[in-house]
Amino acid sequence: GAGVSQTPSNKVTEKGKYVELRCDPISGHTALYWYRQSLGQGPEFLIYFQGTGAADDSGLPNDRFFAVRPEGSVSTLKIQRTERGDSAVYLCASSPGPDLVYGYTFGSGTRLTVV
Amino acid sequence: QKEVEQDPGPLSVPEGAIVSLNCTYSNSAFQYFMWYRQYSRKGPELLMYTYSSGNKEDGRFTAQVDKSSKYISLFIRDSQPSDSATYLCAMSAEGRGSNYKLTFGKGTLLTVNP
Repeated sequence: GAGVSQTPSNKVTEKGKYVELRCDPISGHTALYWYRQSLGQGPEFLIYFQGTGAADDSGLPNDRFFAVRPEGSVSTLKIQRTERGDSAVYLCASSPGPDLVYGYTFGSGTRLTVV
Repeated sequence: QKEVEQDPGPLSVPEGAIVSLNCTYSNSAFQYFMWYRQYSRKGPELLMYTYSSGNKEDGRFTAQVDKSSKYISLFIRDSQPSDSATYLCAMSAEGRGSNYKLTFGKGTLLTVNP
């Protein structure tokens, strides 16, 4: 596609529920990143995929968060037993390779609200 | 102390003004410096990218990096209402396995009034 597509754009869920957030990167981009942006803050790194594998998941806050990219294209961020503190905008970005010289393209994000 | 500090503003200026935005940082390993613009309910978009110290100009935008002071700036000349957005500084360390991971400031909310 022309840009990074994230669905849904908004998600409201109850505390304790499971959610899945989807990211469709730019076609051909091998590197994919998830960031989380809380209200009034800059984005914070969560996880980086190179191809199908998670090359760096050091930003995932705890084991309730998990992400996959089974075919090296679409990625899904999964959050179990959601908490109110998980409320944030979840941003996905992709790039042709893992080096900054290629540049990132961000999607518009999924706004997650846990009530 | 956070690795990257950025005054969140808000900053309000009249159309045509010169805008100065800045960030300080504490991690001396940072070598890549970027400015992103983020419109409401949109993802950040890259404005300027600088490697190491120095200046870079692109149209009405100038980015400056002073590594000795751990201080970066973005200047916007002849500001326009369409420049109204949140401006985020972002940084990354050098080297494979490090430079893909961006550390962002909080962002500065800028409003340019017609």
